[in-house]
Amino acid sequence: AQRVTQPEKLLSVFKGAPVELKCNYSYSGSPELFWYVQYSRQRLQLLLRHISRESIKGFTADLNKGETSFHLKKPFAQEEDSAMYYCALTGAGTALIFGKGTTLSVSS
Amino acid sequence: DAGVIQSPRHEVTEMGQEVTLRCKPISGHNSLFWYRQTMMRGLELLIYFNNNVPIDDSGMPEDRFSAKMPNASFSTLKIQPSEPRDSAVYFCASSWRGNTEAFFGQGTRLTVV
Repeated sequence: AQRVTQPEKLLSVFKGAPVELKCNYSYSGSPELFWYVQYSRQRLQLLLRHISRESIKGFTADLNKGETSFHLKKPFAQEEDSAMYYCALTGAGTALIFGKGTTLSVSS
Repeated sequence: DAGVIQSPRHEVTEMGQEVTLRCKPISGHNSLFWYRQTMMRGLELLIYFNNNVPIDDSGMPEDRFSAKMPNASFSTLKIQPSEPRDSAVYFCASSWRGNTEAFFGQGTRLTVV
């Protein structure tokens, strides 16, 4: 069965500190992995996907098939990064499923 | 395009009443999803439509929940009868293919008292 696990419910860091939001997945085929973000009072939106291999707002995520992980990283956190982050997975013919989410809180 | 449109934005109802949530997907998208968001469970997939046909409804919690998509531009999620434990934010999302980027509506915050 496909599953997405985000072990941390809350991650609190200081401004300028490195951030890593963990995501592990379980899927029998070749998955597509995504990170979605929900800022306060805004709708959920795509942050990045593994196939594009791009950096968005300073965030990057590398798919590690050996460890079945897709951790989200940023070297220097900013206060505007405070939000709820969801890791998501999909595959051929399957809907997008999400982890339980991690709240990132960045304080000065 | 205004994006995915959900109505109402907020709904407060009494236990036992019928609740209907509505969604208008982005024009041209052929996949539609209903999700429920709670603090305890995060974002749970309730049902997934492709070309107006339900593909996966394994996430629908009980027979009290039903969803329809009569055409490509409209979907409803109905709860009858509603219970306090149904209180959550319900999101609708659409994509042009089921395994590509999903675009979300603003959500409907349902409170059942």
